[in-house]
Amino acid sequence: GAVVSQHPSRVICKSGTSVKIECRSLDFQATTMFWYRQFPKQSLMLMATSNEGSKATYEQGVEKDKFLINHASLTLSTLTVTSAHPEDSSFYICSAREPPVSMGSPLHFGNGTRLTVT
Amino acid sequence: KNQVEQSPQSLIILEGKNCTLQCNYTVSPFSNLRWYKQDTGRGPVSLTIMTFSENTKSNGRYTATLDADTKQSSLHITASQLSDSASYICVVGNAGNMLTFGGGTRLMVKP
Repeated sequence: GAVVSQHPSRVICKSGTSVKIECRSLDFQATTMFWYRQFPKQSLMLMATSNEGSKATYEQGVEKDKFLINHASLTLSTLTVTSAHPEDSSFYICSAREPPVSMGSPLHFGNGTRLTVT
Repeated sequence: KNQVEQSPQSLIILEGKNCTLQCNYTVSPFSNLRWYKQDTGRGPVSLTIMTFSENTKSNGRYTATLDADTKQSSLHITASQLSDSASYICVVGNAGNMLTFGGGTRLMVKP
């Protein structure tokens, strides 16, 4: 079945450094991928929609210069947390719709990345 | 405003028992409703997807129901197992392809 792979699963970085998280669709092409943030005991919060070959669409309140998204190919989207601070520590998850994309098409999630900024 | 409300927020049941989780939504125009299971520290995994015309859909011991008139859905888990301990998230899609996530129900199954 369709699989979305996310890497790394865990990362610890020092405050002020940048961290890149990769999201890959392993057996299908995804023109659109989604990035979420999840706080403990809360549901997923959509951060941005990553569009292959064009700029990402960010949700209100999400800093685009802080969370850089690149969707360079039909199977890879990356999220870079720039100049990370402890408040950026969270669980980040990506997802992609299985083609053919329609209103009812399955949405597959990666296994998430636990980011800890010290 | 599109909203998805889930209840209860958390639930503890004994292994082997059944349980039902609720999802009420105000998403409009409605397109589809999805239930996901999320294990701790993992990404959500799809259980069911239902469109407007579907009233019920099963996936093993999981059965989802949908009442589009009252804008309610339920997820029934039969003969619960310890591995059912997880968060269950209701996600509702509208005709514009936008998804609204519920806050989830945290289920704990105890031996």
